[in-house]
Amino acid sequence: SQQGEEDPQALSIQEGENATMNCSYKTSINNLQWYRQNSGRGLVHLILIRSNEREKHSGRLRVTLDTSKKSSSLLITASRAADTASYFCAPEEGGSEKLVFGKGTKLTVNP
Amino acid sequence: DTGVSQNPRHKITKRGQNVTFRCDPISEHNRLYWYRQTLGQGPEFLTYFQNEAQLEKSRLLSDRFSAERPKGSFSTLEIQRTEQGDSAMYLCASSRKVLGKFFAGANVLTFGAGSRLTVL
Repeated sequence: SQQGEEDPQALSIQEGENATMNCSYKTSINNLQWYRQNSGRGLVHLILIRSNEREKHSGRLRVTLDTSKKSSSLLITASRAADTASYFCAPEEGGSEKLVFGKGTKLTVNP
Repeated sequence: DTGVSQNPRHKITKRGQNVTFRCDPISEHNRLYWYRQTLGQGPEFLTYFQNEAQLEKSRLLSDRFSAERPKGSFSTLEIQRTEQGDSAMYLCASSRKVLGKFFAGANVLTFGAGSRLTVL
C-alpha cells in the first residue's frame, strides 16, 4: 500500500512565520491529500492535489506536488498558534480503497 | 448532518474485558473505515465497509477484533479479551463511492473525533 512519509517529524516556529512540511512517497499516484489532527481529535481533510497539478492554494495553505521526485510540500503562511497540530499526507494510488498515513509532522506554533 | 459521530469518547477497562465502540457515519456515505492510532503514530488502517459488506481487514486486526455494519449505516467495533496493547485511539471515517467513483473525485475521508481506549 502507498504510504507517505512526512518530514520533519517535529517543527517549532513562532507565530507569524511560515511552516513547511514535506511528504515523500514511492509509487504513482492519482492524487495526494493532506490532513490535520489536533491533539486527541480526529483528522480533518485540508487539501487535495491531483497528479496533473503542480501547485494548489487554499487560504493560507499552499501545496506543491512533484511527481518526478515523488514528493509534496505543505506550506502554511503567517502561522497562528491555532495551527498547532499534527499534519499527515496521504498519497492515493489509482484504485486505492483506503488511505495509508505516515507518522506525520507535529507542528508547534509559539505565540 | 453533524458529521461522523463516535461513542463512547473515552473508555477505561480492565484487561480481559470486552469493549464495543460505535460509529455513525455521515448519512449519505456508504464507505466506513476504522483506524487505530497510538501516541506519536499515524492512524493505522484496520478495516472498511462498503454498505454492509466488510471488504478488507488488516492483518493488524486479530481474532479478538470484530467489526460489523449490519444495515449499512452505523458500525460497531468490538474488542474481546482486551490487552494493554489495545490501548489506543480508535478512529472512524466515512466517504462516499457510487458507481465506482468517489463522490469527491477522490477518497476524501471525514473522520470522527475518535474513541480513546485505556486498558488497565
